[in-house]
Amino acid sequence: AQKITQTQPGMFVQEKEAVTLDCTYDTSDPSYGLFWYKQPSSGEMIFLIYQGSYDQQNATEGRYSLNFQKARKSANLVISASQLGDSAMYFCAMRDYTGANSKLTFGKGITLSVRP
Amino acid sequence: DSGVTQTPKHLITATGQRVTLRCSPRSGDLSVYWYQQSLDQGLQFLIQYYNGEERAKGNILERFSAQQFPDLHSELNLSSLELGDSALYFCASSVATGASTQYFGPGTRLTVL
Repeated sequence: AQKITQTQPGMFVQEKEAVTLDCTYDTSDPSYGLFWYKQPSSGEMIFLIYQGSYDQQNATEGRYSLNFQKARKSANLVISASQLGDSAMYFCAMRDYTGANSKLTFGKGITLSVRP
Repeated sequence: DSGVTQTPKHLITATGQRVTLRCSPRSGDLSVYWYQQSLDQGLQFLIQYYNGEERAKGNILERFSAQQFPDLHSELNLSSLELGDSALYFCASSVATGASTQYFGPGTRLTVL
């Protein structure tokens, strides 16, 4: 069974600094995808970034990058130059591709607060 | 804006009642997923439809049912509601199944009193 672990307590970062949000995963499937979503206080889930298990390079999307270490089964999200609007809950999620089931398995999330 | 729409945004009802949540996927997306987010369970997958057919089931109660219509919109029906059904219900859509990214709607916040 798939499992996503996010164990950091609430994270704080100073505006304009970089922050890393940790995510470890467990799966026996060789083919899978890892996702990060942002949930601000308004409640919507916003897709940030995706990494495939066979991707050779770490994914990047603007200020977001994913530090993918396959051997360690970790997929940490790095946010550079933090902004006040980055304050939100961040979820790591995973999906395997070996079956017909495309469900996302989510971690419990990490709360990030950006200080001015 | 993800392009996925959900109605209503908020729903307050009483125990024992039945409600219907509606979702319209992004234009061109064939897959629709339903998720439940609660404080104690976190984000849980409920059910997936692809082009009108049920594709996968997760932790969906027997009191809950869903369907996807020919125009690809989907409805989640919750019946015999209990206090514990209070949660944020998300619909997500993707182009296909498998490797496609899922884009989430704004959610429907259900409160059962």
